[in-house]
Amino acid sequence: EAGVVQSPRYKIIEKKQPVAFWCNPISGHNTLYWYRQNLGQGPELLIRYENEEAVDDSQLPKDRFSAERLKGVDSTLKIQPAELGDSAVYLCASSFSSGVLYNEQFFGPGTRLTVL
Amino acid sequence: TQLLEQSPQFLSIQEGENLTVYCNSSSVFSSLQWYRQEPGEGPVLLVTVVTGGEVKKLKRLTFQFGDARKDSSLHITAAQPGDTGLYLCAGQRAQKLVFGQGTRLTINP
Repeated sequence: EAGVVQSPRYKIIEKKQPVAFWCNPISGHNTLYWYRQNLGQGPELLIRYENEEAVDDSQLPKDRFSAERLKGVDSTLKIQPAELGDSAVYLCASSFSSGVLYNEQFFGPGTRLTVL
Repeated sequence: TQLLEQSPQFLSIQEGENLTVYCNSSSVFSSLQWYRQEPGEGPVLLVTVVTGGEVKKLKRLTFQFGDARKDSSLHITAAQPGDTGLYLCAGQRAQKLVFGQGTRLTINP
């Protein structure tokens, strides 16, 4: 069974340029998460989708970040314009939420973004 | 302010030694998870603990959830080079996972 797929794996851009990341979750998983992981830190949630609805985007910097999950499957995360401080690994995760208190999240390999 | 504090942040020991990693918080969590992350990969779930005082074992790894469900520990017996990696604890509140900053563990042959 395929895991969470992310692309690209690496991206180097200059500041003020736009960038987009793509995520394909595990088939059948209704919940999708985007996290940002800064060097030497744990992941921090940016946005959580249940199906196509963004149910928690409280940590998403909405002035420059946007995300979408059309049709409740694939998702894209966009930054426009990118800033130096956006350099990080962007992780996508998915889970099947069935109303229980905890659901195992499966993570993709991440996209390492470097902003010059 | 880090909601979950892990200690130590870095640990380098010799093969065969024992070690303990701690994950502490002032907040109560409905469950606590431990992940291991290798370079260039996403975190992989090792265990979930739910009940206060719960102890789970995974081969040479022993995980414990504090009685008050605010803290946890990971103990590794007879560490092997293959145990090298970044260990992350994460507390679950509602549908949100809050991660600690991680413990980077290196086991030297």
